[in-house]
Amino acid sequence: SAVISQKPSRDICQRGTSLTIQCQVDSQVTMMFWYRQQPGQSLTLIATANQGSEATYESGFVIDKFPISRPNLTFSTLTVSNMSPEDSSIYLCSVGMGLTPGLADRGELFFGEGSRLTVL
Amino acid sequence: QKEVEQNSGPLSVPEGAIASLNCTYSDRGSQSFFWYRQYSGKSPELIMFIYSNGDKEDGRFTAQLNKASQYVSLLIRDSQPSDSATYLCAVRDTGRRALTFGSGTRLQVQP
Repeated sequence: SAVISQKPSRDICQRGTSLTIQCQVDSQVTMMFWYRQQPGQSLTLIATANQGSEATYESGFVIDKFPISRPNLTFSTLTVSNMSPEDSSIYLCSVGMGLTPGLADRGELFFGEGSRLTVL
Repeated sequence: QKEVEQNSGPLSVPEGAIASLNCTYSDRGSQSFFWYRQYSGKSPELIMFIYSNGDKEDGRFTAQLNKASQYVSLLIRDSQPSDSATYLCAVRDTGRRALTFGSGTRLQVQP
């Protein structure tokens, strides 16, 4: 599997500010996704990060609140804008391996270590 | 809305016993099914995937799939305290590349 690095690993933020989370993969990957895991909850898909075009957002998530960039096949950012305490969560970058030479796309996703945000 | 359902637990089993974790899904067209393990404070780690009806074994883990009943299970044989974690069932829905996750079952293996 690929090595997926997320920065920051954790942060404490003030209400009304914005924070950008970076996801770097050590190999080219077809698919990159951003998930959110709220305290004690499972993973909820925020959006699919599309290389070179606008992200595809899930119901309940909008671009103004969670702008996403994906300039190439190894890097993506998620910004959490105008944060409120309800945005306190772990944000996870996830990748599918379809483009990695020698690795067939079996459908599984791999996850970064996550970025734990606390909004005061 | 596509759903993946799991019993939240906790499921408590003694060391050495078989732990049985269950999952149901709503999208009859789903083709791929995954089990992830998540330790507290860590990100999910893939442990099993299954595509075909029946059983798939990998070491102490066996995944079982019954598409007619829309049911997936994970059996952990000879459970160890190190197996104590939350187990997430995930389904790849028809026409999508992302996975939909269940709420997870917390497993506690008692020494």
